Amino acid sequence: AQSVAQPEDQVNVAEGNPLTVKCTYSVSGNPYLFWYVQYPNRGLQFLLKYITGDNLVKGSYGFEAEFNKSQTSFHLKKPSALVSDSALYFCAVRDVDNFNKFYFGSGTKLNVKP
Amino acid sequence: GAGVSQTPSNKVTEKGKYVELRCDPISGHTALYWYRQSLGQGPEFLIYFQGTGAADDSGLPNDRFFAVRPEGSVSTLKIQRTERGDSAVYLCASSERDPWSDYEQFFGPGTRLTVL
Repeated sequence: AQSVAQPEDQVNVAEGNPLTVKCTYSVSGNPYLFWYVQYPNRGLQFLLKYITGDNLVKGSYGFEAEFNKSQTSFHLKKPSALVSDSALYFCAVRDVDNFNKFYFGSGTKLNVKP
Repeated sequence: GAGVSQTPSNKVTEKGKYVELRCDPISGHTALYWYRQSLGQGPEFLIYFQGTGAADDSGLPNDRFFAVRPEGSVSTLKIQRTERGDSAVYLCASSERDPWSDYEQFFGPGTRLTVL
């Protein structure tokens, strides 16, 4: 079975500092990994995905994620956090046996303080 | 253009009642998904449509849940004999291409269902 885990319920960072939101995965094959962001009362918005290729994936709003096969991780990063980045972030993996299905992590609340 | 819309945004009902939740996908998107997001959790897959047919309903929790998409556009998620445990935010997403290709899901804002 495929799954992702987000070990931190909440991450606090000061504006201008780098941020990392952690995600580890468990898949039986090559993973298709995604990051989404959810603002209050709004739908999830796609940030970036890893399918294959370069381990460092660049996405929307200056975010990037690093795929690390040996550590089975796909951490979300941004060099300089903005207060407007404060939101709920979800890591997700696509089921390799059933591409219709995505498995989401439980989410990490990012708080960026001025 | 317009994104995915869902109505109502909030629905409060009593235990045992029947509810319908509506999703309007982005025009032209053939794939449509329903997810359920319980408090403090990530979205949980319920059902996937490719066109008019339910290609995968393996995430529906039981036979009280049913979804249709009769014309390949708007979809309705139907819940019979609602239970308090059905309280959650129900999310709809649509995408442009076949799931076997590289694509992106666009999510609606969700319907918050509260069963009293």
